Amino acid sequence: AQSVTQLGSHVSVSEGALVLLRCNYSSSVPPYLFWYVQYPNQGLQLLLKYTTGATLVKGINGFEAEFKKSETSFHLTKPSAHMSDAAEYFCAVSDSGGFKTIFGAGTRLFVKA
Amino acid sequence: DVKVTQSSRYLVKRTGEKVFLECVQDMDHENMFWYRQDPGLGLRLIYFSYDVKMKEKGDIPEGYSVSREKKERFSLILESASTNQTSMYLCASSPARSGRRYEQYFGPGTRLTVT
Repeated sequence: AQSVTQLGSHVSVSEGALVLLRCNYSSSVPPYLFWYVQYPNQGLQLLLKYTTGATLVKGINGFEAEFKKSETSFHLTKPSAHMSDAAEYFCAVSDSGGFKTIFGAGTRLFVKA
Repeated sequence: DVKVTQSSRYLVKRTGEKVFLECVQDMDHENMFWYRQDPGLGLRLIYFSYDVKMKEKGDIPEGYSVSREKKERFSLILESASTNQTSMYLCASSPARSGRRYEQYFGPGTRLTVT
């Protein structure tokens, strides 16, 4: 069975500081990994995905994530936080068919001026 | 621009009522999904459909049913609403073709309150 654990339900950073949101997964098969972002009163939007190939994945809005198989991690980073990054972020893992996606509990990112 | 729309943003229903949540996508996607989102639990899959009239149970199907009569429309039905079904409901769609089938596009959600 697949599972996702996001470390920290809330993360607060200052504007311009590094953003690091942590995600660990469990999967018995090669995982397909995702980060989604949810802005207030909106649905989820895909930030980036890892399926195969390069383990460092770049997404929209300057975010990137690195797949580390040995650590079963897929942490999300951004070098410099912007106020507009304040949102809830979800890590997710999918089966090979793309039908059953398991989402983490979410991490709410606060950005201080 | 791709779009998934849901019939209501907010809905208030009474216990025991039959509730219909509608979702429409304009991207010609084969796959459609219904999730519920609760604080601290993330999103949990209720049902999904990979073709017209086809449906599969997700992780929490109890108390729900679905209908997909047309490719673009996927309905979630609460046969007899209960207070523990108060939640945010999110619809999503994705294409079937390889390489992009993992990319789910979400609607804005329906916040359902059952009193």
